[in-house]
Amino acid sequence: EVQLVESGGGLEQPGGSLRLSCAASGFTFSSYEMSWVRQAPGKGLGWVSSISSSGTTIYYADSVKGRFTISRDNAKNSLHLQMNSLRAEDTAIYYCARTRVANDAFDIWGQGTLVTVSS
Amino acid sequence: AIQMTQSPSSLSASVGDRVTVTCRASQGIGNELAWYQQKPGKAPKLLIYDASTLQSGVPSRFSGSGSGTDFTLTISSLQPEDFATYYCLQDYNYPRTFGQGTNVEIK
Repeated sequence: EVQLVESGGGLEQPGGSLRLSCAASGFTFSSYEMSWVRQAPGKGLGWVSSISSSGTTIYYADSVKGRFTISRDNAKNSLHLQMNSLRAEDTAIYYCARTRVANDAFDIWGQGTLVTVSS
Repeated sequence: AIQMTQSPSSLSASVGDRVTVTCRASQGIGNELAWYQQKPGKAPKLLIYDASTLQSGVPSRFSGSGSGTDFTLTISSLQPEDFATYYCLQDYNYPRTFGQGTNVEIK
């Protein structure tokens, strides 16, 4: 079964750091572009970051550029998001998502992990 | 960044109704548009990609059309399990951008 499972969410103070992980199974992880998408409580979906299958090409939303770092470990079938200098507005459910084919729609999503930034 | 404007933001409909949701891009995106369904507490589910291609396993009552800047998601006969929020996504370029969502409620 194709599956993505996120972990690492939790409560963090403003200015703090968290590292999210996404474990992939059921498909050849190293062949797919991967992304993080977030959803603030009661709000719509917002794209955060994407990384190519090899890890050589990376994109970030302006709102997280310089604070968040996306990475992947193809040997361990895992995707990560290092989140530094957290702000209250980063509070959201964070989903990892697979891109269907290169530069296309997100077809497989994890269940999400909740990040709460609050003092 | 390409702005995606979705309308309406919400609608009320009855089982069996034909429902249409529209999405307008601030610039041409070819057919690089996807539609998602999201139910409360769940991850989004891909319904349609490349503007009109039905994702495997999605019922045929869902259809998509459009190209360039104007796109439409149609549910031909609304079923009880279709009450949800629907989002469009442009995958033409980065940053990827979503529409603000359309909440389809029971009338």
